[in-house]
Amino acid sequence: EVQLVESGGGLVQPGRSLRVSCAASGFTFDDYAMHWVRQGPGKGLEWVSGISWNNGHIAYADSVKGRFTISRDNAKNSLYLQMNSLRGEDTGLYYCAKGGTGLLRPFDYWGQGTPVTVSS
Amino acid sequence: EIVMTQSPVTLSVSPGERATLSCRASQSVRSNLAWYQQKPGQAPRLLIYDASTRATGIPARFSGSGSGTEFTLTISSLQSEDFAVYYCQQYNNWLYTFGQGTKLEIK
Repeated sequence: EVQLVESGGGLVQPGRSLRVSCAASGFTFDDYAMHWVRQGPGKGLEWVSGISWNNGHIAYADSVKGRFTISRDNAKNSLYLQMNSLRGEDTGLYYCAKGGTGLLRPFDYWGQGTPVTVSS
Repeated sequence: EIVMTQSPVTLSVSPGERATLSCRASQSVRSNLAWYQQKPGQAPRLLIYDASTRATGIPARFSGSGSGTEFTLTISSLQSEDFAVYYCQQYNNWLYTFGQGTKLEIK
């Protein structure tokens, strides 16, 4: 059974940093691209960042480019999102999602999300 | 960035009736289009990918169609568990984008 479990969310002041993590199990992690998707309170889904199986391809939404860094540790079956210079508009539930073996594939499994609140 | 626009924002339908949801892309995404269902307090669930292929375990009452810039999700006979928010998503390039969602509510 595929499982994605996010952790590391919390309350952080504007301008500070936070790292969220995703622990994956139930599939061959290093065969698949992985993504972060967020959802602001009462809002829709926003893709944040994605990383290919071998780190060869990484992309970011314009709203986070230069502030967020995605990474993965295939030996630990883990995905990370380092978030710097946080702003109020970064507040939301951060989901980890499993992509495909190719670069351009949908997200077939999602975690339950970890909440991030940016506020003073 | 490819902008995805869903319509309507809210759709009121009675159980047992058909629901038709639309999604338009600002430029062609070929057939690289997925639909997700999200219920309150839950993560999104993949329903349809490649515009018309049902994901594993998705009932046959869900169907998708379209290519290029115009796409449709049809639910043939609404069940109580189908009332939720539905999102389309393009994955034609690595700046993935979602539509703003259509809320399907009970009439």
